[in-house]
Amino acid sequence: EDQVTQSPEALRLQEGESSSLNCSYTVSGLRGLFWYRQDPGKGPEFLFTLYSAGEEKEKERLKATLTKKESFLHITAPKPEDSATYLCAVQPTTGGFKTIFGAGTRLFVKA
Amino acid sequence: NAGVTQTPKFRVLKTGQSMTLLCAQDMNHEYMYWYRQDPGMGLRLIHYSVGEGTTAKGEVPDGYNVSRLKKQNFLLGLESAAPSQTSVYFCASSYGQLNEKLFFGSGTQLSVL
Repeated sequence: EDQVTQSPEALRLQEGESSSLNCSYTVSGLRGLFWYRQDPGKGPEFLFTLYSAGEEKEKERLKATLTKKESFLHITAPKPEDSATYLCAVQPTTGGFKTIFGAGTRLFVKA
Repeated sequence: NAGVTQTPKFRVLKTGQSMTLLCAQDMNHEYMYWYRQDPGMGLRLIHYSVGEGTTAKGEVPDGYNVSRLKKQNFLLGLESAAPSQTSVYFCASSYGQLNEKLFFGSGTQLSVL
């Protein structure tokens, strides 16, 4: 069964304390892996798409990486404004176009 | 830039009541979706549409109906609300279906008492 698991459920960091969020996935074949950011009371906002193992993408303090079984979202020197829930989603090659979302990691960055 | 707009933002229903959620997008996207988000769970697809006049069932369609009479609008209906339908509902749209990022609305918090 296709599955996406994110860890940890919640992460508390001090401003400037770098860390990583994990997204483990089990699919028969990967068409694409997505990262979204969700602020409280708002809808998810797209960050990155990764397509194949070894691929990396960066945006400001965020860098997403992909292996054959997991993806990491690295946050370098986070600021309080990086506080949000980060969602990982995968689109398998089978089962049509469905996108499977993980439950998310809530990130809190304290000044 | 409005993007995807959902109305209403909050709604409280009694068990058995009906309601319709409205989603409008101004990006000329062909594909539109309705998701629900519950604590501790990932977003789950309720229904989707691949173009004007089309609808299809997603992962959790029971108890919901949808219509897409105009390309820019996608309506989600609850005919007889149940407490299990208490959730946050998100509408999304995309240009394509495969490897296409989703654009989400700001959500509707629905409580069914």
